[in-house]
Amino acid sequence: QQQVKQSPQSLIVQKGGISIINCAYENTAFDYFPWYQQFPGKGPALLIAIRPDVSEKKEGRFTISFNKSAKQFSLHIMDSQPGDSATYFCAASMHYQLIWGAGTKLIIKP
Amino acid sequence: DTEVTQTPKHLVMGMTNKKSLKCEQHMGHRAMYWYKQKAKKPPELMFVYSYEKLSINESVPSRFSPECPNSSLLNLHLHALQPEDSALYLCASSQGTSGRAGELFFGEGSRLTVL
Repeated sequence: QQQVKQSPQSLIVQKGGISIINCAYENTAFDYFPWYQQFPGKGPALLIAIRPDVSEKKEGRFTISFNKSAKQFSLHIMDSQPGDSATYFCAASMHYQLIWGAGTKLIIKP
Repeated sequence: DTEVTQTPKHLVMGMTNKKSLKCEQHMGHRAMYWYKQKAKKPPELMFVYSYEKLSINESVPSRFSPECPNSSLLNLHLHALQPEDSALYLCASSQGTSGRAGELFFGEGSRLTVL
């Protein structure tokens, strides 16, 4: 299975709250799991990424949690800010292939 | 500032026109990509160039013709497009097509409208 399932489709969080986006995959051959952030009218930008031999990676307010046995990974945005409002895509990579989740539109309310 | 530069940012063309999209990267990356993105959807892979050679064509119609003149440049030639081809066209680059191939650097895209 080449799909990456992402949820929720949309998410509204109060400023200062924690935003959580979840993804699940089937193919255990995937070897790299990036998250991309995309603002309207712009190209996606790599936000943070993790390899399957690591259970957690933190960069500033952004953390990826990775559960290899469950084939799930999630993005946590701590202290969410209005500037974090964007569409977030999870993805799974194998060689040149990058399989994308459907995306989550995140809105942070002031 | 993005290190992948795409021109033009916006393009409107008729179905009989011939136009080109251009992409340039100066990160020394050896893989370059064209993606197509429709509204509220993830990017869809069109073409992959590895070391200036076309390595992947995801069954893209021949009205789209890619070209890689050198390791820094990537073009997408457009001819006889259809209105349904209207989309954001994204260029990306990566260090290679294995290992951290999922670590793509995207340009801001070219917004194409076909009338």
